[in-house]
Amino acid sequence: DTGVSQNPRHKITKRGQNVTFRCDPISEHNRLYWYRQTLGQGPEFLTYFQNEAQLEKSRLLSDRFSAERPKGSFSTLEIQRTEQGDSAMYLCASSAQGIGSPLHFGNGTRLTVT
Amino acid sequence: AQSVSQHNHHVILSEAASLELGCNYSYGGTVNLFWYVQYPGQHLQLLLKYFSGDPLVKGIKGFEAEFIKSKFSFNLRKPSVQWSDTAEYFCAVIATGNTDKLIFGTGTRLQVFP
Repeated sequence: DTGVSQNPRHKITKRGQNVTFRCDPISEHNRLYWYRQTLGQGPEFLTYFQNEAQLEKSRLLSDRFSAERPKGSFSTLEIQRTEQGDSAMYLCASSAQGIGSPLHFGNGTRLTVT
Repeated sequence: AQSVSQHNHHVILSEAASLELGCNYSYGGTVNLFWYVQYPGQHLQLLLKYFSGDPLVKGIKGFEAEFIKSKFSFNLRKPSVQWSDTAEYFCAVIATGNTDKLIFGTGTRLQVFP
């Protein structure tokens, strides 16, 4: 078990630029989740996939955010035209299929928008 | 929509003191409940989980939690904390049959002094 891997660990970008983050889940897990965490808050759900299908997307997620999982393995999260309010830790997690299967989290990508 | 409340935002204890962290959720149906822990500089890790059966569940490192359905609560306890328990603790819930996304509380920061 190599764990969930996220890249990059840190990203600093200027307002208006696009950024893309990558997540490699645990290989046998078919579910993949994206969360966002800001200081003093718990992780906030963004979206999740079962294999390559995106099953749910938070209403809080603006059209500037898009996530893909093209082959049911790794996933990317893209933020277009970044804003300062996008600064946060972006967390990826994976789990096996099955109700209540625990999520295994990566170390996250910290985004700073200047 | 389901939500999770953690009323203790910051708890400070001395080693060997007893710990209880409150967690309440709002959802009338069947739930799966979790406590996650985040040690400084590390990723979120599962501490314990409740799916069904015995409402008193035991987790790693001497932690336990009790599910009280009538109170919509899932409080975390440890009889004697150690300095190494210093971390942020998150309660989380999945509303089974409604969604498979994990909803987190805002977290409780625990500081244990030797």
